[in-house]
Amino acid sequence: SQQGEEDPQALSIQEGENATMNCSYKTSINNLQWYRQNSGRGLVHLILIRSNEREKHSGRLRVTLDTSKKSSSLLITASRAADTASYFCATAGSARQLTFGSGTQLTVLP
Amino acid sequence: ETGVTQSPTHLIKTRGQQVTLRCSSQSGHNTVSWYQQALGQGPQFIFQYYREEENGRGNFPPRFSGLQFPNYSSELNVNALELDDSALYLCASSLNQLGTGNTEAFFGQGTRLTVV
Repeated sequence: SQQGEEDPQALSIQEGENATMNCSYKTSINNLQWYRQNSGRGLVHLILIRSNEREKHSGRLRVTLDTSKKSSSLLITASRAADTASYFCATAGSARQLTFGSGTQLTVLP
Repeated sequence: ETGVTQSPTHLIKTRGQQVTLRCSSQSGHNTVSWYQQALGQGPQFIFQYYREEENGRGNFPPRFSGLQFPNYSSELNVNALELDDSALYLCASSLNQLGTGNTEAFFGQGTRLTVV
């Protein structure tokens, strides 16, 4: 079963704009991770945020985590055509697994 | 590149057959997890192997089984293939068991299995 649910399911923006994706989850977590997937290939790890962190940055990526609302957001600034991909959030809790959401399909138009 | 390699990249099997997928983990990683990703869905956890033992399993039937070898590489075996087993199978390696601490998982490129 999917724990995380991404919102929106699909997002289309112009190159240079910012893209924001949201993720909600149901149970307590140790950390939350964001991944990118290009055209049904392997998942690329983007960033991990711990349950005691509220915000984290990596290059053009900014992730926030609100454990009281059980939600996270991923912001990609100054998007590029190469950012076109599916983005997934995954939670890690006491169970020895990552639980993924259903993903957001991001399309960046040149 | 993550250093996690999977083989084969694509595979076509007939319903009822058996299949073995392989994964080489990143150097230094002792944990391998397997995921099934149906088209348009997020990956679903199958199981995790830590130091050659299965120590976590998702909601998959016993015909999904695995092995982890002393070098921490791993195999996923699926018996009595069904049409619904058609999916992308992803292997992830990590420095430690997922769910402990703040362990990152690094994925291979996947094996695309088609059951006809």
